[in-house]
Amino acid sequence: DAKTTQPNSMESNEEEPVHLPCNHSTISGTDYIHWYRQLPSQGPEYVIHGLTSNVNNRMASLAIAEDRKSSTLILHRATLRDAAVYYCILSARDDKIIFGKGTRLHILP
Amino acid sequence: EAQVTQNPRYLITVTGKKLTVTCSQNMNHEYMSWYRQDPGLGLRQIYYSMNVEVTDKGDVPEGYKVSRKEKRNFPLILESPSPNQTSLYFCASKQGGGGYTFGSGTRLTVV
Repeated sequence: DAKTTQPNSMESNEEEPVHLPCNHSTISGTDYIHWYRQLPSQGPEYVIHGLTSNVNNRMASLAIAEDRKSSTLILHRATLRDAAVYYCILSARDDKIIFGKGTRLHILP
Repeated sequence: EAQVTQNPRYLITVTGKKLTVTCSQNMNHEYMSWYRQDPGLGLRQIYYSMNVEVTDKGDVPEGYKVSRKEKRNFPLILESPSPNQTSLYFCASKQGGGGYTFGSGTRLTVV
């Protein structure tokens, strides 16, 4: 199964953009790239997902490398409420997903 | 409101006493899954189901059973719980290529 690699933690200043990287060098052609986040004492929350093209929604943007071996979640203007663990996940055709260890994002006021 | 509902939220039980954690979704999703979350190990998939009467093992299925007799429900069964099954459990559902919706979690302690 394809795995993902993320930094253990990152810091960013409030109201600045945040770029969260994810490496997935063994990704297969049918794997979707999903991003989720988990706030303290809550279940994971869907953020965004994509296959090949960059994606935007109201929460974030997802930039996918041309070779699909890496991706970047972009929070355009971080707030204190964005402090969470962010998971980069590959979702295979059969919908089985594998969570990475995640990146703990700290937002500095 | 579209949601995944787990019950109970908290449970303390003794070793060997069978228990069931219920999971129900109101979105008519075909795919459902159970995860456990442990410190330092992240979220690991226990079992998943692609549709009614179709279930398959995830990464850590030992000691667990599931059933999918109807689309909305996907209970997690521990026939003989042991202390190493003390964990935080999450149920999730999705439809097609969309994102997953997770429940609020069940914190289980086995003593």
